[in-house]
Amino acid sequence: EDKVVQSPLSLVVHEGDTVTLNCSYEVTNFRSLLWYKQEKKAPTFLFMLTSSGIEKKSGRLSSILDKKELFSILNITATQTGDSAVYLCAVVTAGGTSYGKLTFGQGTILTVHP
Amino acid sequence: DAGVIQSPRHEVTEMGQEVTLRCKPISGHDYLFWYRQTMMRGLELLIYFNNNVPIDDSGMPEDRFSAKMPNASFSTLKIQPSEPRDSAVYFCASSPSGYGYTFGSGTRLTVV
Repeated sequence: EDKVVQSPLSLVVHEGDTVTLNCSYEVTNFRSLLWYKQEKKAPTFLFMLTSSGIEKKSGRLSSILDKKELFSILNITATQTGDSAVYLCAVVTAGGTSYGKLTFGQGTILTVHP
Repeated sequence: DAGVIQSPRHEVTEMGQEVTLRCKPISGHDYLFWYRQTMMRGLELLIYFNNNVPIDDSGMPEDRFSAKMPNASFSTLKIQPSEPRDSAVYFCASSPSGYGYTFGSGTRLTVV
C-alpha cells in the first residue's frame, strides 16, 4: 500500500520565522511529488517535483526532492500570517495502464502569529 | 475556464437518505478523481476515472458508495443509504493525463 507521511502534523510560529515541512513516502511506481496549500477551500497547487536535487522556488517558498532517501521538504522563509494553512504533500504513482493516482499525506497545519 | 465545478456546495441530510454529489471536470482533462477529506483521515482517494472508465475504486469505503462518469463532462458520487460517519468534505479533481491536478471547491456533506 502506498504511504505518504508528513511531519510535523502542526506547527506554530511567529511572523518572520523560517519553517521546514517534511514529506516522506513509500510508494511503487513513483512519478512525481506535489505540494499543495489548503486554506478554507480546495487545495491549491504549489510545486511539482520529479527530479532529485533540483530546487523549485516561488517567492518565499521553495521545495526539493530526494528520490534516493524518498522525501521532500517545503521551506517557507520570512513567514507571514497569510501563510497559515494546511500544507499537503501528495505523490503521483503509475502502474500498468493506469496513471496519475495521487496519494496524500495527512498534511501539516501551519499557524503563523503576528 | 471555470475550473472544476462541484455541486452542491453544502448538503445536510438525514441518516438513511440517498445523497448524490456532482462534478464537472475541466474540458479536455481525461482523468477525474473523487476524494474525501476528514480531520481523522486527511485526504483519501475514493475512485478515479480515465477517459470515463473507472480505473481504481479500491478507496471506495463500501457498497453504499458508487460513482459514475457517463460522459467526459460529468461525474456523480452517490451514497445510499448515508450514515453519520460519511460526513466529510468530498472533492473532485481533474487532470490532463496525470499532471496539473485541479480541485473543485468541494461539497461539505453532513449526515445527521
